Amino acid sequence: EVQLLESGGGLVQRGGSLRLSCAASGFAFSDYAMSWVRQAPGKGLEWVSDVSGGGGITYYGDSVRGRFAISRDNFKNTVYLQMRSLRAEDTATYYCAKDRSGYSGYGFDSWGQGTLVTVSS
Amino acid sequence: QSALTQPPSVSGSPGQSVTISCTGTSSDVGSYDRVSWYQQSPGTAPKFMIYDVGDRPSGVPDRFSGSKSGNTASLTISGLQAEDEADYYCSSYTTRNTLVFGGGTRLTVL
Repeated sequence: EVQLLESGGGLVQRGGSLRLSCAASGFAFSDYAMSWVRQAPGKGLEWVSDVSGGGGITYYGDSVRGRFAISRDNFKNTVYLQMRSLRAEDTATYYCAKDRSGYSGYGFDSWGQGTLVTVSS
Repeated sequence: QSALTQPPSVSGSPGQSVTISCTGTSSDVGSYDRVSWYQQSPGTAPKFMIYDVGDRPSGVPDRFSGSKSGNTASLTISGLQAEDEADYYCSSYTTRNTLVFGGGTRLTVL
């Protein structure tokens, strides 16, 4: 059974930093791209970033490019999201999602339970 | 990147069919067949319902079907059931190697 367990969320001041982690199990981790998707309170889903199975290809949404960095450790079966220069509008539940393929864009067939990030102003 | 356009809400009675549209551009929906649909109930993570425009993951009832014409994708739910009441989101890969979601549609089963 695929399991994705996010951690690292919490309350942070505007301009601060936070690192999210997502521990994966139940599948061949390095064979699949991984993404972060966020959802502001009461709002819709927003794709944030993804990393290919091998870790060498990364992409970012316009709202986070230059501030967030995605990475993965295929030995630890964990994907990370380093968030810097946080803004109030980054407040959201952040979901870790497994792509259906080794490359992004093919659909997310498993999701974590989410971790809440709150940026105070 | 602008979100794909979905109707804010749709409704139907049990047993009926409803269709949710998802309109993008030639840079996303119109360029790839990598359109997916997700169902999200309050307080839970999204659930994978449709991929590659019209394919269903195992375990998803065949009452759920997807299609695409030009820059618009659609999700049709036939034989509506009370348990289908949820928010539905479409997503598409884009020519910029990014992913874009729709704004979401709340389905109410009357």
